[in-house]
Parts: sequence; C-alpha cells; structure tokens
Amino acid sequence: SQELEQSPQSLIVQEGKNLTINCTSSKTLYGLYWYKQKYGEGLIFLMMLQKGGEEKSHEKITAKLDEKKQQSSLHITASQPSHAGIYLCGAEEGSNYKLTFGKGTLLTVNP
Amino acid sequence: EPEVTQTPSHQVTQMGQEVILRCVPISNHLYFYWYRQILGQKVEFLVSFYNNEISEKSEIFDDQFSVERPDGSNFTLKIRSTKLEDSAMYFCASSRQGARTPLHFGNGTRLTVT
Repeated sequence: SQELEQSPQSLIVQEGKNLTINCTSSKTLYGLYWYKQKYGEGLIFLMMLQKGGEEKSHEKITAKLDEKKQQSSLHITASQPSHAGIYLCGAEEGSNYKLTFGKGTLLTVNP
Repeated sequence: EPEVTQTPSHQVTQMGQEVILRCVPISNHLYFYWYRQILGQKVEFLVSFYNNEISEKSEIFDDQFSVERPDGSNFTLKIRSTKLEDSAMYFCASSRQGARTPLHFGNGTRLTVT
C-alpha cells in the first residue's frame, strides 16, 4: 500500500513568514490532494494535483507536484494566523478512488 | 456552497451497544465514503460506496460495520457492537465522480465508547 511521509511534523512561524510543507510518496502519485484540518473539525479541500510538474495556487497557497510524481510541496506566502491548522496530503490509491493520507503537519502562526 | 453534514457531532455509548452515524452527502454526488481518525493518528479509509453497494472496504471494516443509503439523501454507518477501540472521529465524505475529483468531508462525529 502507499505510504505518504509529511515533513515537518510541526512548524511554528511568525506571521508574515513563508513556509513549505512536503509530502513524499513511496509510489508514483496519480492524484495528490491537499487538505486542511482544524482541530476537531473536518477536512477542507485545498488543491488537487495530477500531472508531473503541475503547480496550482489559491490565494497565498501554492502546491506543486514534482516531475517524477513522487513528491509534492505546499508553500504558504506571508503566513497569517488564519493559516494555522493541520495540513494533510492524500493520495489516490486503487481502483475505487480511496485516499491514503499522511500523518499531517501542524502549523502554528504566531501573531 | 453545498456541504456534507453529519449527525450527531458527538456520541457517547457503552461498549457492546450499537451506534448509527448519519451523513447527508452533497446532493449531486455519486460516491460516498467513511473515514475515521483515532486521536493522534492518521485519517484512515473505512469504506467506499457507489451505486448502492460497497466498492471497497479496508481491513478495519469488519462484520461489525455496515453502511446503508436508506433513501436518496442519507448515508449511514452502523457499528453493531462497539468496542473501546472504536472510539474515534468518523468522517463522511462524498465526491461527484470517482477518480480525480476531490472528496468533500463533513465535520465528523466524535464517537466515545466507554
């Protein structure tokens, strides 16, 4: 089965700083999803990447999938306290479109 | 924006009791899922459901678990005889299609088995 490793496990940044979260797969990624989770709440879809070299942006968040399709990064520019939460990467696996998730990266943004 | 709704938000039950967790997926979605997250652990796939039948289930989804879509709007997860280790946050999700479409998650039901 697919294993996703996220790094770092946790991150504390000062408001306004940029940061990057990485997600590395043991297998080729055919659909890579980024979600954000606030403690005790559901997962909020951020972005989906499919093609090698693909890059997508929404507001101050940019996600990339490398050419080999085994690593993805999530970059936040000029972080704000509203960016705080747990960021999860998820990969499609199998023929029934289930997602396998990484353990998540806990982001704290200090004002 | 349409969203997946789950009820109840928190359920406490005694070991051995049956529980039913309820979900209303987004109305035009065709694929439905249950995931769970034990405190401090990964979000784990339980089961996927399409065209009124289970598409795939994980090893966790044993005979104690069942899913049902009793009408055109609800999607339920039943645990027949709860165990302490079933305590977790259970998330329902739906997607419009299968592959390459994002799953939309509900806010979860926190199940506590005592």
